[in-house]
Amino acid sequence: DARVTQTPRDKVTEMGQEVTMRCQPILGHNTVFWYRQTMMQGLELLAYFRNRAPLDDSGMPKDRFSAEMPDATLATLKIQPSEPRDSAVYFCASGKTGDPYNEQFFGPGTRLTVL
Amino acid sequence: EDQVTQSPEALRLQEGESSSLNCSYTVSGLRGLFWYRQDPGKGPEFLFTLYSAGEEKEKERLKATLTKKESFLHITAPKPEDSATYLCAALTSGTYKYIFGTGTRLKVLA
Repeated sequence: DARVTQTPRDKVTEMGQEVTMRCQPILGHNTVFWYRQTMMQGLELLAYFRNRAPLDDSGMPKDRFSAEMPDATLATLKIQPSEPRDSAVYFCASGKTGDPYNEQFFGPGTRLTVL
Repeated sequence: EDQVTQSPEALRLQEGESSSLNCSYTVSGLRGLFWYRQDPGKGPEFLFTLYSAGEEKEKERLKATLTKKESFLHITAPKPEDSATYLCAALTSGTYKYIFGTGTRLKVLA
């Protein structure tokens, strides 16, 4: 049963600290998405990769957030320095481009709390 | 500006009481309209993709329909296990961007 995995599942940190979240997409999927979910804003797209290349990161605060795909099995989202307003659940999703494979498969999320 | 709006924000139904959830979209070209279910503490789970106006898809007690401006998720004779947040998302053509609505929180009472 192929699944997207994310680590850590929960992270509590103090303001100013660096946070790194990791995602392993489903094998064979060529698109990876990072989302942030809060009660107020819902799901917000932060970054989107296709074939490991960043295609859209317009939703990401550039001064503190960065997203990379060092290889096809790993995507990372880094926040440095973290701030209390970054507290949210961060989801990674993967999928395939090309109809009819545009659905996304979501991981379980990383719950981040910045104190 | 591309936008997806869901209504109502929250819905309480008695078991067996059928209803519909609405997803209105304004996007610069629709490549696909997606419905997801999200349970508390979990990631969204894919339900349906609709590609063109007039298309319908069904799965158990759920049926999704699509027009040129909105999509409906019809829930027939719901059960308590259907309680969840239902999200819709529009995939825009050209920019290939997913835009999610804020969801409808559904509670089905036994």
